[in-house]
Amino acid sequence: GAVVSQHPSWVICKSGTSVKIECRSLDFQATTMFWYRQFPKQSLMLMATSNEGSKATYEQGVEKDKFLINHASLTLSTLTVTSAHPEDSSFYICSAYTGTGVQETQYFGPGTRLLVL
Amino acid sequence: QKEVEQNSGPLSVPEGAIASLNCTYSDRGSQSFFWYRQYSGKSPELIMFIYSNGDKEDGRFTAQLNKASQYVSLLIRDSQPSDSATYLCAVNPTGFQKLVFGTGTRLLVSP
Repeated sequence: GAVVSQHPSWVICKSGTSVKIECRSLDFQATTMFWYRQFPKQSLMLMATSNEGSKATYEQGVEKDKFLINHASLTLSTLTVTSAHPEDSSFYICSAYTGTGVQETQYFGPGTRLLVL
Repeated sequence: QKEVEQNSGPLSVPEGAIASLNCTYSDRGSQSFFWYRQYSGKSPELIMFIYSNGDKEDGRFTAQLNKASQYVSLLIRDSQPSDSATYLCAVNPTGFQKLVFGTGTRLLVSP
């Protein structure tokens, strides 16, 4: 099956610092990856669509200058949370697509738990 | 607004029973449908996808799709306590790669 990895799995940082999260597709190439955020006991919230070689598409209400996304290769997308604040503490999950047509399937990474002190 | 609706539950079933999870969607042109399982504190894990009307079986899991009625369901046979999790239904609307997720149904399987 398709494998998506994320690094780091856990990060604790001080308020005001920036944090970079990596998402890799290990056994397939992904022209499109997605970044989600999930607060405790809440649903997944799509933050942005990461497109290889072009700018990310952000969902309404997501600050593009705060959540920087770079999809520099077909296997790597990064999310940088800039000037993190305690309210950014959350579970960040990436996903990537593989397959074609109706059989396109989205696989999720294991997630990165961010705690901003 | 493309919507996917699920009963939030919890759905409680005894061990060994069949758990039936249901999902309805609003976009009649939707092409493919997914069930993900999410354990508390973990990311979603793909269980099954289906894109043709009818049933698709994989081990203890059966996905059922009825496009005319716009619903998709997941049956879990011989439910185990380890099946206790939140089950997310997701739909791929026509022409989009972005999945639209339901809010999930929490399943509790009691020993």
